[in-house]
Amino acid sequence: AQSVTQLDSHVSVSEGTPVLLRCNYSSSYSPSLFWYVQHPNKGLQLLLKYTSAATLVKGINGFEAEFKKSETSFHLTKPSAHMSDAAEYFCVVSEGVSGSARQLTFGSGTQLTVLP
Amino acid sequence: DAGVTQSPTHLIKTRGQQVTLRCSPKSGHDTVSWYQQALGQGPQFIFQYYEEEERQRGNFPDRFSGHQFPNYSSELNVNALLLGDSALYLCASTRRFISYEQYFGPGTRLTVT
Repeated sequence: AQSVTQLDSHVSVSEGTPVLLRCNYSSSYSPSLFWYVQHPNKGLQLLLKYTSAATLVKGINGFEAEFKKSETSFHLTKPSAHMSDAAEYFCVVSEGVSGSARQLTFGSGTQLTVLP
Repeated sequence: DAGVTQSPTHLIKTRGQQVTLRCSPKSGHDTVSWYQQALGQGPQFIFQYYEEEERQRGNFPDRFSGHQFPNYSSELNVNALLLGDSALYLCASTRRFISYEQYFGPGTRLTVT
């Protein structure tokens, strides 16, 4: 069975400061891991994905995530927050290499607030 | 190129009624999954369709059923609606065996009164 724990339900940062959103996962097999972002009244957008290649993954809008198997973590970071980054962020796990054929298991989400 | 589209955008139903939600996948995609997102929670997997068959199912009762058509579009049906079925219903599509990415539609907001 697979599961995801997002360690913070809310994170608040000032514009221009670093962002860290924490995620731990549990998976019986080699997982594929994703971060999705959801802006109000918008659909889910894929930020980045890890699928057993490089452990440091670069995504859109300056976001990065590092896969750490020993810690079962996949934390999302960004060096400098922008007001437009304010949104709900979901860490997602999918078991198996053929990620597209597997169901996605979502974390409960982290609401990111960016203060001016 | 249109992305994943869903209809209707919003829907209000009464307890006990039945509802049908529709999804058109992104061009070139052949696999459609449905998710339920209750307020303040992450999406939960309902089921996945490929080649007009249900391939995987999450922990949802039989009141939730679906269909996939030859053009890859899909419907989600919910019978005997409960208040707890109020949620955002999301459709996601992908190209099976080709891509790891699932593309999501904007969702249908269902309110059950």
